[in-house]
Amino acid sequence: EAQVTQNPRYLITVTGKKLTVTCSQNMNHEYMSWYRQDPGLGLRQIYYSMNVEVTDKGDVPEGYKVSRKEKRNFPLILESPSPNQTSLYFCASSSLLRGSGRETQYFGPGTRLLVL
Amino acid sequence: AQSVTQPDIHITVSEGASLELRCNYSYGATPYLFWYVQSPGQGLQLLLKYFSGDTLVQGIKGFEAEFKRSQSSFNLRKPSVHWSDAAEYFCAILTGFQKLVFGTGTRLLVSP
Repeated sequence: EAQVTQNPRYLITVTGKKLTVTCSQNMNHEYMSWYRQDPGLGLRQIYYSMNVEVTDKGDVPEGYKVSRKEKRNFPLILESPSPNQTSLYFCASSSLLRGSGRETQYFGPGTRLLVL
Repeated sequence: AQSVTQPDIHITVSEGASLELRCNYSYGATPYLFWYVQSPGQGLQLLLKYFSGDTLVQGIKGFEAEFKRSQSSFNLRKPSVHWSDAAEYFCAILTGFQKLVFGTGTRLLVSP
């Protein structure tokens, strides 16, 4: 089954304790992206990646890092989490084969993070 | 600036009644528009998308949306709502290469 998976689904942590949220897709997609969802703000893009070793900032990258060492994986790293990073995080992926830049993005189930 | 506005934060509809969720966009060029649904505990699922052509777009689960350039709108409709349609709905616009900008969402409640 084609899917985007995220782990963990729920996480409670404390300020300053480094954490990683994993994202993996099995569709051989080139493009992957991270969003955060906050009440009243919708989804905002954190980082994205066009392919292996190619990443770039989205609209709200502060406090986050990413890496793309393999095509299927795109982990989100919070090196020193703060309470304002409490949010619902979504990973998404899409193909870039047609080069249109308009391909449907497929979303993971989300990771709910609470930073105390 | 490119943006999407969903003016209704919450909407309550009786089961079996019709539904319309509003979406207005601000974009200088031809918009590429999407509606996604987020069911409780689930990720976002694409309902439908508009790129060009017929302004009435059919999607999954019996949803449709109509693109109206003169009103800068892309409203989502369903003729008869089911209890399983209770979810949060997001309108989104493509503002660059694969770059989606989302509205703030509308939470749909379905009453018996």
